[in-house]
Amino acid sequence: QSALTQPPSVSGSPGQSVTISCTGTSSDVGSYHRVSWYQQPPGAAPKLIIYEVNNRPSGVPFRFSGSVSGNTASLTISGLRAEDEADYYCSSYISSSTFEVFGTGTKVTVL
Amino acid sequence: EVQLVQSGAEVKKPGESLKISCKASGYSFTGYWIGWVRQMPGKGLEWMGVIYPGDSDTTYSPSFQGQVTISADKSSNTAYLQWSSLRASDSAMYYCARPSLRSGYLADYWGQGTLVTVSS
Repeated sequence: QSALTQPPSVSGSPGQSVTISCTGTSSDVGSYHRVSWYQQPPGAAPKLIIYEVNNRPSGVPFRFSGSVSGNTASLTISGLRAEDEADYYCSSYISSSTFEVFGTGTKVTVL
Repeated sequence: EVQLVQSGAEVKKPGESLKISCKASGYSFTGYWIGWVRQMPGKGLEWMGVIYPGDSDTTYSPSFQGQVTISADKSSNTAYLQWSSLRASDSAMYYCARPSLRSGYLADYWGQGTLVTVSS
């Protein structure tokens, strides 16, 4: 199973919105809408920030939101803040007998 | 509060064995899957395998089958990742994580990571 495709980097100024795409296939992103997003700050462990396309775990700010259209999932960060600078990974359910595949990762830079 | 606390960084030589640990607290250890994710330097995340401590049911990703051993000790709420003979290519950061399903789906808690360096 190949990794989901993400842009290597996106950037924005504080207060702006940025969107990260995550392109899969009809066998993963397009089939189940069970997409998760993880935030990994520099030198830190990944943290779940979005699950099942657009649900936020407790404590995750509302400015993080997700969506899916066809075989592409997206993560939008609204009102960008310096603390949002991190690597972001998407992940999609494939089947009960196949491990989830992560995306290639996107580095978000706050200008 | 759910916590996964991993053992410290390791420096080993090729051919040596290694076992790293992940101690869980704040939830019923036997009622959730727990697994290991590899991150090679400057690279992305890969699921290695998971174990269900309640019955020791273990599944490995095909890329890691036969290369590592995952185990769990219910008495100490600790999961382990073990190598019998390390290679330089095993140098990476290893995270334990708690997924909702065997497939690694929805890992809501992660350990802080254990850096393994294999060098002669």
